[in-house]
Amino acid sequence: NAGVTQTPKFQVLKTGQSMTLQCAQDMNHEYMSWYRQDPGMGLRLIHYSVGAGITDQGEVPNGYNVSRSTTEDFPLRLLSAAPSQTSVYFCASSYFRGAGAGNTIYFGEGSWLTVV
Amino acid sequence: DAKTTQPPSMDCAEGRAANLPCNHSTISGNEYVYWYRQIHSQGPQYIIHGLKNNETNEMASLIITEDRKSSTLILPHATLRDTAVYYCIVRVASDAGNNRKLIWGLGTSLAVNP
Repeated sequence: NAGVTQTPKFQVLKTGQSMTLQCAQDMNHEYMSWYRQDPGMGLRLIHYSVGAGITDQGEVPNGYNVSRSTTEDFPLRLLSAAPSQTSVYFCASSYFRGAGAGNTIYFGEGSWLTVV
Repeated sequence: DAKTTQPPSMDCAEGRAANLPCNHSTISGNEYVYWYRQIHSQGPQYIIHGLKNNETNEMASLIITEDRKSSTLILPHATLRDTAVYYCIVRVASDAGNNRKLIWGLGTSLAVNP
């Protein structure tokens, strides 16, 4: 029962480098999203997708790109890493329309990114 | 989505009940109360949700006041493994399009002591 899988778990980047955080879910969820979590702050939404081919910006989208070519995958790309992007990143997924009384949001285990 | 207010931290003795409060005075009629927890270095994990009635599952109980302006998450017999940050959020359950409006806040850091 894999759920939401993120890779890599840890990554160190130099300023200006680019990289992709991978996220995959095996629950056939339409909705997927990326959050970042910084000390002293709550989860903040970066980008989200309501289905394959559809993406939109969240609260803090600058410096990040996403795509959704399949239902299962939702990669997050850092275009030119900056120290301000040092954070823990979480991918999440859920059904778009409620399954019964509610649609639970499932989170991955997180990806720790340090930009030096 | 409505904003929630939670105490920043709480302590509980192992084996005792942990009662975590949450205020959501501006909750709308179609918004559910959800509780998640985040154990250190892990992703948030769903615990329970409810609309009006009290709810219980294998992890916890949720008590919602009659006016729905506040709720309490109860861990009946807290263990050391329940030490985590607990988040109370309110959201329209049936439409994930509203997920983008969620305000997660900082939650309550619960320390279960031996």
